[in-house]
Amino acid sequence: DSGVTQTPKHLITATGQRVTLRCSPRSGDLSVYWYQQSLDQGLQFLIQYYNGEERAKGNILERFSAQQFPDLHSELNLSSLELGDSALYFCASSPGGIVGYTFGSGTRLTVV
Amino acid sequence: QQQVKQSPQSLIVQKGGISIINCAYENTAFDYFPWYQQFPGKGPALLIAIRPDVSEKKEGRFTISFNKSAKQFSLHIMDSQPGDSATYFCAAPKVGGNTPLVFGKGTRLSVIA
Repeated sequence: DSGVTQTPKHLITATGQRVTLRCSPRSGDLSVYWYQQSLDQGLQFLIQYYNGEERAKGNILERFSAQQFPDLHSELNLSSLELGDSALYFCASSPGGIVGYTFGSGTRLTVV
Repeated sequence: QQQVKQSPQSLIVQKGGISIINCAYENTAFDYFPWYQQFPGKGPALLIAIRPDVSEKKEGRFTISFNKSAKQFSLHIMDSQPGDSATYFCAAPKVGGNTPLVFGKGTRLSVIA
């Protein structure tokens, strides 16, 4: 157990729908990072939050949004889902920087 | 634009052999180079990391070799075991410093007996 908790583990939904993925970071970690993993694109960085504030943005679509709450858990919201959004979504946390980066076990999203 | 280019995509090695995975980067501001190991159904886990002030770092059977002038770093797995079969990712900070990690596309290693 890495200490980073992601729920749900699996999610199947229809095109056009909206889903929310949840991440609880390791105790004491202030930074949360979201990544999308697909077979052809590898691990793509989406967005980072640090202590409740957005810190960095990567290849995140406008249909996707995220936030980090006062208790430091984070949610990734995916809307108007398309078949191509089917992927593994990982959350990672760290104390602040990139050393000590720890991943959760991921949420497998299937859009049908 | 791919900031870290990893090769090969897949690798098959005999048990007891040496597995070598390479990574090339472009941004000379990169100053932290980790390798991650991922088993099916799990998230990536940090295996070993190096900073550019050293040319090599060894932890057990795993070694990172770093070539600053060539802008390359590689992972060597000595005495490869079937339990090492996994996908390996190299990574580097997006624009150097403490910026989020960007990852190579991964190498699927299979160690066969």
